Amino acid sequence: DVKVTQSSRYLVKRTGEKVFLECVQDMDHENMFWYRQDPGLGLRLIYFSYDVKMKEKGDIPEGYSVSREKKERFSLILESASTNQTSMYLCASSSSPGELFFGEGSRLTVL
Amino acid sequence: DQQVKQNSPSLSVQEGRISILNCDYTNSMFDYFLWYKKYPAEGPTFLISISSIKDKNEDGRFTVFLNKSAKHLSLHIVPSQPGDSAVYFCAVKGDNTDKLIFGTGTRLQVFP
Repeated sequence: DVKVTQSSRYLVKRTGEKVFLECVQDMDHENMFWYRQDPGLGLRLIYFSYDVKMKEKGDIPEGYSVSREKKERFSLILESASTNQTSMYLCASSSSPGELFFGEGSRLTVL
Repeated sequence: DQQVKQNSPSLSVQEGRISILNCDYTNSMFDYFLWYKKYPAEGPTFLISISSIKDKNEDGRFTVFLNKSAKHLSLHIVPSQPGDSAVYFCAVKGDNTDKLIFGTGTRLQVFP
């Protein structure tokens, strides 16, 4: 069965803190993605990766970075968290074009 | 600029009736279209898809229609069930890319 696991379901951080969100998939997928979901805005792509050590900016990369050192793991990093980064963060992976498999999400609150 | 729009943020339908969710897109180069369903506190799950060479795809109670000339996509659920209550996102994919662009979502509520 397809599995995408996000390390933390709920996090509360303070403004200026560094935040790591980790995502692991067990399907040997080449592609991995980070989205954020906000009310009225849908899912917006932050970064994606087609292969190990490769990354591409999505639609809203500002304030974020990513790391993909191993095929199964894709990390999202907030170098200095701000209140406007309070959101639901969703990791996904895919092998074939189109169908993404999502994790359960990480709800981040920045105070 | 929103490339994929779901103009109805919410929809309420009686159990047993048809639910119709709509989605409009702007770029005629998009070639693959999907619907995802999301329950609260869970990640989105894939529901149904259609490629640009077709105008209809059916899977059980779910049917997706594609009108390329109007750049319009719709999802029909019939009959609707209370367990269908969720947020539905349409998504599109362009040629030569694996990334999906999502709409803003429509919250469907099916009441008894």
